[in-house]
Amino acid sequence: DIQMTQSPSSLSASVGDRVTITCRASQSISSYLNWYQQKPGKAPKLLIYAASSLQSGVPSRFSGSGSGTDFTLTISSLQPEDFATYYCQQSYSTPGTFGPGTKVDIK
Amino acid sequence: EVQLVESGGGLVQPGRSLRLSCAASGFTFDDYAMHWVRQAPGKGLEWVSGISWNSGSIGYADSVKGRFTISRDNAKNSLYLQMNSLRAEDTALYYCAKDSKQWLVWGYYFDYWGQGTLVTVSS
Repeated sequence: DIQMTQSPSSLSASVGDRVTITCRASQSISSYLNWYQQKPGKAPKLLIYAASSLQSGVPSRFSGSGSGTDFTLTISSLQPEDFATYYCQQSYSTPGTFGPGTKVDIK
Repeated sequence: EVQLVESGGGLVQPGRSLRLSCAASGFTFDDYAMHWVRQAPGKGLEWVSGISWNSGSIGYADSVKGRFTISRDNAKNSLYLQMNSLRAEDTALYYCAKDSKQWLVWGYYFDYWGQGTLVTVSS
């Protein structure tokens, strides 16, 4: 199975900050990488698919980049509603393994 | 509006069985693959199982292979997960998720999720 790692595991940031989260795959997954946001007590929500495609309805402050084994999710200007946990997921093969998550909280 | 509503969770003893259901609406159910994803309390997301639009392709995580069975009834717009020989480590919130594709192929993503149903395995 393909293993996914994320860094950092948590971060504290302020409203307006630029935030970058990194995801790494144990082997090349081309651009088959998705990002989800999960708020406490809620289901995950798709943000980015195919490494850099923004899901419909997701604010443009979210962006994704990368290919091969290294990927990033960037929030250009953190908003109060963005405090959540973010997961990457590879969709190169089954099982579609998720990363362990990055919790973004308020500084 | 796409809706996925899970049901069937509850408290069950180790070794017993449970069947989860997911009722889908707001989209053409038999056009898409479907999945179960679980989340243990305070932990991350774990893909459990997926099924193609016509049940022709099915996959399981190694942790549940041989114990869980996924199925779907396109006439009823419903997805199921039969869970046998349950273990304490199966305790989790189980989400139903819609795939972006018909088949279990690369490039998929989960564009809609239900709110989950909680399964607790304990004596």
